[in-house]
Amino acid sequence: DAGVTQSPTHLIKTRGQQVTLRCSPISGHKSVSWYQQVLGQGPQFIFQYYEKEERGRGNFPDRFSARQFPNYSSELNVNALLLGDSALYLCASSLSGSNQPQHFGDGTRLSIL
Amino acid sequence: QKEVEQNSGPLSVPEGAIASLNCTYSDRGSQSFFWYRQYSGKSPELIMFIYSNGDKEDGRFTAQLNKASQYVSLLIRDSQPSDSATYLCAVRGATNKLIFGTGTLLAVQP
Repeated sequence: DAGVTQSPTHLIKTRGQQVTLRCSPISGHKSVSWYQQVLGQGPQFIFQYYEKEERGRGNFPDRFSARQFPNYSSELNVNALLLGDSALYLCASSLSGSNQPQHFGDGTRLSIL
Repeated sequence: QKEVEQNSGPLSVPEGAIASLNCTYSDRGSQSFFWYRQYSGKSPELIMFIYSNGDKEDGRFTAQLNKASQYVSLLIRDSQPSDSATYLCAVRGATNKLIFGTGTLLAVQP
């Protein structure tokens, strides 16, 4: 069975641009969460979606937004990119939005020049 | 106080020894606890999860939870060089957010 798939793998943008990252969950999983991981730190929670509704939001500015589609895939959008947005963006899926374990995709490495 | 705290390491153990990784958390309402392994340049991989006080064993891995002490640990028996990685502790608190520690770097020496 396919795991969580994310695209693109790598992305290079310049300051002020906008980016959209995509995630397809494990088949049967209805919850998707997004995380940002910078070097030397653990993943930082950005959003969780379950059944197309936002179930949680981390301490990130409004430049970050996300949505979940009827097929449970998800997009993370970041506007007005800053140098500090350079990071590994991870998507994780789980069966439901509660205590179920989350499984991560390979991530999208975003570099801002 | 950080929400989830781990010793950053590195924790160095000889091959075949038991590696003990520890994690403390601040939210007494935390409900579920997870250990992930992350190799350099890769994404986190789920190793264990535990919801109730006590021990949970899976192969060479044992997760231990003590909610009264707000402490969770991961034991790796018969450590192998391939176990060398960063181990992330993650806790889901009352807000339902999954909070990660900064990770402990484990180095298993052949």
